[in-house]
Amino acid sequence: EVQLLESGGDLVQPGGSLRLSCAASGFTFSTYAINWVRQAPGKGLEWVAGISGSGGDIYYAESVKGRFTISRDNSKNTVHVQMNSLRVEDTAKYYCAKRGHYCGGASCYYYFDSWGQGTLVTVSS
Amino acid sequence: DIQLTQSPSFLSASVGDRVTITCRASQDISFYLAWYQHKPGRAPKLLIYAASTLQSGVPSRFSGSGSGTEFTLTISSLQAEDFATYYCQQLNPYLQLTFGGGTEVEIK
Repeated sequence: EVQLLESGGDLVQPGGSLRLSCAASGFTFSTYAINWVRQAPGKGLEWVAGISGSGGDIYYAESVKGRFTISRDNSKNTVHVQMNSLRVEDTAKYYCAKRGHYCGGASCYYYFDSWGQGTLVTVSS
Repeated sequence: DIQLTQSPSFLSASVGDRVTITCRASQDISFYLAWYQHKPGRAPKLLIYAASTLQSGVPSRFSGSGSGTEFTLTISSLQAEDFATYYCQQLNPYLQLTFGGGTEVEIK
């Protein structure tokens, strides 16, 4: 069974830093991209960042580019996101999600097929 | 960035109703669209990918259709456990990923 477990959420002051972790099990970790998605209070889902299975391809939402750094340790089946220069608007529940894919014909289609339960980040003075 | 606009943002329906949610993309995304169900305090759940492919284990009352810029999620006969918020997501591999604003489905 695929399991994703986020940790590291906390209360932090504006301008501060936090490191979230996503521990995975139940699948061949190094062959799957992992993404972070957040949900601010009362708001919808927002994609934050993604990293390929090898770690060689990394993507960020414009809202976090230059402040967040995603990385992975395939020996420990873990993905991290280092969050610096945190803002009040970064307050959210952060989920990690495994990206699956289906290839048919000339195209491959992606989706987030497994998600963790999330970890809460609160940025407030 | 591609914008996804869901409509309606809220709907009230009864058990047994047929429910349709629309997701419009600001530019052509082919079939690179997925649908998720999200309940409070739970992890989001994948329902549909590649616009119309039902994820394994998802009840057949859920279906997806569309391509290009207009997509639809249909629940053929709403069940009590379907009351949740639904999101579309574009996953064009060459573009930044985005979610729609969500559609909250409430019991009438």
